[in-house]
Amino acid sequence: GAGVSQSPSNKVTEKGKDVELRCDPISGHTALYWYRQSLGQGLEFLIYFQGNSAPDKSGLPSDRFSAERTGGSVSTLTIQRTQQEDSAVYLCASTLFGGGSGNTIYFGEGSWLTVV
Amino acid sequence: GQQVMQIPQYQHVQEGEDFTTYCNSSTTLSNIQWYKQRPGGHPVFLIQLVKSGEVKKQKRLTFQFGEAKKNSSLHITATQTTDVGTYFCAGHHRSNYQLIWGAGTKLIIKP
Repeated sequence: GAGVSQSPSNKVTEKGKDVELRCDPISGHTALYWYRQSLGQGLEFLIYFQGNSAPDKSGLPSDRFSAERTGGSVSTLTIQRTQQEDSAVYLCASTLFGGGSGNTIYFGEGSWLTVV
Repeated sequence: GQQVMQIPQYQHVQEGEDFTTYCNSSTTLSNIQWYKQRPGGHPVFLIQLVKSGEVKKQKRLTFQFGEAKKNSSLHITATQTTDVGTYFCAGHHRSNYQLIWGAGTKLIIKP
């Protein structure tokens, strides 16, 4: 696609429910990142995919968070048993190559999650 | 661990005044990137610096990369309302896929 596409753009969910956030990276980009940004804060790294594998999951805040990527393209971030502190915007980004090559990172518009 | 410290957290300026944000890394960077995030938006790439001592300009914006490749700055001359937003630096450490992000500096134009 022309850019990184994320859905839903906004999600309000009740505490304890599960949510799935989807990211469709730029076509051909091998590296995909998930970040979380709370209101007025910086970017918090969650997970990085190179192809379908995730060499680094260390940023995931708890075992309620999981992510997968299939076909080297679309990725899904799943949050189980949501808590109010999960409320944030979840940003997906992709680059042509990973590995610290310095490629520009392109961000999606983000999925704004509110847990009530 | 590897960190990039960015200061200040906020800067209030009158329109027409200058603005500067600084980033310092605990270790040598292979490159550093700068991003701008408008209120309610997502970070957008501005520029990448790779060489020691590199200086790049984009109109009123001047980006510098230190000689030791551990620090960087962004300077905006004669700020305009369109400059409002948060400016992030993000650095790659050698042999590391992960960008290490600064916390951002929010530019606020005083009414």
